[in-house]
Amino acid sequence: EPEVTQTPSHQVTQMGQEVILRCVPISNHLYFYWYRQILGQKVEFLVSFYNNEISEKSEIFDDQFSVERPDGSNFTLKIRSTKLEDSAMYFCASSVGQGIGYTFGSGTRLTVV
Amino acid sequence: SQQGEEDPQALSIQEGENATMNCSYKTSINNLQWYRQNSGRGLVHLILIRSNEREKHSGRLRVTLDTSKKSSSLLITASRAADTASYFCATDANDYKLSFGAGTTVTVRA
Repeated sequence: EPEVTQTPSHQVTQMGQEVILRCVPISNHLYFYWYRQILGQKVEFLVSFYNNEISEKSEIFDDQFSVERPDGSNFTLKIRSTKLEDSAMYFCASSVGQGIGYTFGSGTRLTVV
Repeated sequence: SQQGEEDPQALSIQEGENATMNCSYKTSINNLQWYRQNSGRGLVHLILIRSNEREKHSGRLRVTLDTSKKSSSLLITASRAADTASYFCATDANDYKLSFGAGTTVTVRA
């Protein structure tokens, strides 16, 4: 069964450093998403991406965050200057269409120290 | 807010028993989805029910949806130790995103 692949599975970074989280969505999917889950809290929507542009973003997705689809297969989330409160599990997801089921990756656990 | 809210927050049952958890949400939806998350791991899609459907089955899972009450339930029959996980409902209002609830933590005792 096709999978969404995320790398790395765990990343530790110093506060103020830039991090790039990588995702390979399912190949025939057209919609891409990033969500995050702070330990013990709800899964929160960050951003959706369709047709090479951001479709919607949440209040969390401020100027420190950016997304990119640099080639035909990867989808990345960049955090420019990490803060302690950015520590969370970040999930990438893709879907073939709106409301037609999502497939989530297994997540990247980001720890900011 | 669209967010689903699960009830109960935690559930402990004996292996072989059924587990039922509920989800309520606030506004119109396109569909509602249930996910499972094992401790500290990824989200696994379990089942999707569309707004024009009332009940759906998948293996030992049964999901109902009542759009007039803005609520859904997930029933796991004949539970197993491997069903121990957190279960989340998520609503899709056709606005490019899912809104998740806080989840129900299910513990199945052997």
